[in-house]
Amino acid sequence: QVQLVQSGVEVKEPGASVKVSCKTSGYSFTNYGLSWVRQAPGQGLEWMGCINGHNGHSKYAQKIQGRAAMTTDTSTSTGYMELRSLRSDDTAIYYCARARYDVSGYFYLYDDYWGQGTLVTVSS
Amino acid sequence: DIQMTQSPSFLSASVGDRVTITCQASQDIDNYLNWYQQKPGNAPKLLITDASNVETGVPSRFSGSGYGTDFTLTISSLQPEDIATYYCQHHDNVPYTFGQGTKLEIK
Repeated sequence: QVQLVQSGVEVKEPGASVKVSCKTSGYSFTNYGLSWVRQAPGQGLEWMGCINGHNGHSKYAQKIQGRAAMTTDTSTSTGYMELRSLRSDDTAIYYCARARYDVSGYFYLYDDYWGQGTLVTVSS
Repeated sequence: DIQMTQSPSFLSASVGDRVTITCQASQDIDNYLNWYQQKPGNAPKLLITDASNVETGVPSRFSGSGYGTDFTLTISSLQPEDIATYYCQHHDNVPYTFGQGTKLEIK
């Protein structure tokens, strides 16, 4: 069955970096992408970006572009999301999700399976 | 960026009620609209794609409609297990923003 298992809780100081992993199984990794979505405490969902598992092409929300890097390791079917120069408002649960693309492999469609979430707390 | 506005933000209804949640896009997005359900403490779950395609395994009481800028998620007969927050999300162009959510509770 399709599974996405994320790395554990992180506590970081302002200005530091965090790298969240998303280990996938149960499907062909390169036939899909990975999305990253975050949710601040008590708030709604915020789309951060997505990366195509086949060609590595990524798209980011402008809000985090320049601070975030999404990568994949096809040998281990794992995705990574690194966020730099952390601020207190980056405190959130970070989710990875399997991203479905259209037949061209460029146009994102939806996220059909989700990881369990990783809590990242930024505090001094 | 395309803004997605859901209404209402909070909804209280009785078991068996017909429930409707609306989502309005700030510009035409064709049918590039998904709906997700998030229960407390859980990750979101995909319910509907392309405005009206109900995902396999989702109960038939859930349906979606709309095109262009105005979309609707309907629960035909509310069940206790439907208590959750519902989000719409467009996938027309980056960023693929979500609505602010509609929290559904049992009256």
